[in-house]
Amino acid sequence: QVQVVESGGGVVQPGRSLRLSCAASGFTFRSHGMHWVRQAPSKALEWVAVIWDDGINKYYADSVKGRFTISRDNSKSTAYLQMDSLRAEDTAVYYCARMGLAGYLDYWGQGTLVTVSS
Amino acid sequence: EIVLTQSPATLSLSPGEGATLSCRASQSVSYYLGWYQQKPGQAPRLLIYDVSKRAPGIPARFSGSGSGTDFTLTISSLEPEDFAVYYCQHRINWPHTFGQGTKVEI
Repeated sequence: QVQVVESGGGVVQPGRSLRLSCAASGFTFRSHGMHWVRQAPSKALEWVAVIWDDGINKYYADSVKGRFTISRDNSKSTAYLQMDSLRAEDTAVYYCARMGLAGYLDYWGQGTLVTVSS
Repeated sequence: EIVLTQSPATLSLSPGEGATLSCRASQSVSYYLGWYQQKPGQAPRLLIYDVSKRAPGIPARFSGSGSGTDFTLTISSLEPEDFAVYYCQHRINWPHTFGQGTKVEI
């Protein structure tokens, strides 16, 4: 069965960095794009970034552009989100999701919590 | 970027009643509109894609309609497990923004 598992969250000080991982299984990882979506406490979903199956095309939300970098290692079936220059407003649960059915997010992980606080 | 506005923010209904949720886009998204359901403490789940197509395993009581800028998610008869927050999302261009959500509560 398809599984997506995020890891790497935690508490980090403003201005520091953190790298999230998204381990996928149960499907041909190299054939699917992968997204990151976040959700601040009691707030709506916010799309963050996407990386295409070949790892070349990437897009970011304006709120993270220049600070976050999405990447993937198809040999490890894993996607990453490198988050630099973190701010308090980046505090959220970060979800990884597969770009699947007609380009929508059809499988999601359970999320990993990132708290940016001094 | 395209802004999706969902209404109402909260819908208070009883099991067995029907629900109608709205999603309006700031510009046309053609038919590239999906709906997700999120229950407390859980990840979102894809319900509807391309306006009206149900994702695998989604019950027939969920249906979607609309085109261009105005879209509707209809739940024909609410089951206890349907009380949740619902989000719309477009995928016509980047960023693929979400609406702010509609909470369907008992």
